[in-house]
Amino acid sequence: QSVLTQTPSASGTPGQRVIISCSGSGSDFGNKYVYWYQQVPGTAPRLLIYRNEQRPSGVPDRFSGSKSGTSASLAISGLRSEDEADYHCAAWDSNLSGWVFGGGTKLTVL
Amino acid sequence: QVQLQESGPRLVKPSETLSLTCTVSGASITSGSSYWSWIRQPAGKGLQWIGRIYTSGRTNYNPSLMSRVTISVDTSKNQFSLELRAVTATDTAFYYCARVWRNGNGHFIGFDYWGQGILVTVSS
Repeated sequence: QSVLTQTPSASGTPGQRVIISCSGSGSDFGNKYVYWYQQVPGTAPRLLIYRNEQRPSGVPDRFSGSKSGTSASLAISGLRSEDEADYHCAAWDSNLSGWVFGGGTKLTVL
Repeated sequence: QVQLQESGPRLVKPSETLSLTCTVSGASITSGSSYWSWIRQPAGKGLQWIGRIYTSGRTNYNPSLMSRVTISVDTSKNQFSLELRAVTATDTAFYYCARVWRNGNGHFIGFDYWGQGILVTVSS
């Protein structure tokens, strides 16, 4: 069973580039695609990145995703105050036939 | 525009059954490209996938909840539903319904549409 681990918090100043990480356990994590969601407090999550690095239409190119081995990353460049939110990574676990989520990273814009 | 809306009791007593419905508009629940899920989030905590249903009625559940969960679909109303039995205080959470879309290449695009969420409290 895959477990996704995220650091609980991250921070940055406006204009800065911030990277949020998601590490996976399980022997086949390298074969899984990672998805990223942004959740502004009090609202539902919003899809930011799918299949490691793809952006849905409407998501600014300030947001980018990557994956290497057992770690995936979400990079946010040109940080803005409205980026202050929780960020969740997720992956489909084919062994469980289910989705697993990381614990979330709270991003604070200082 | 696809919209999902959760509805149901916001207060459930311990040991009873939590029942929620998700009404879908702007898309057919019978679409072969869509999977319909329930996800929950205790206040201040991370997301937990509960389970999903496909248009055929085929379901998959989180193993940690499988013994207590049933997800069903009502195609005539374009709705799908969640039942969680024998609830305890630890089931208190925001409950979201969401759609995963699979594109023409068979690739999951992720949870692209979400309901606004409904807070369900388990308390006597």
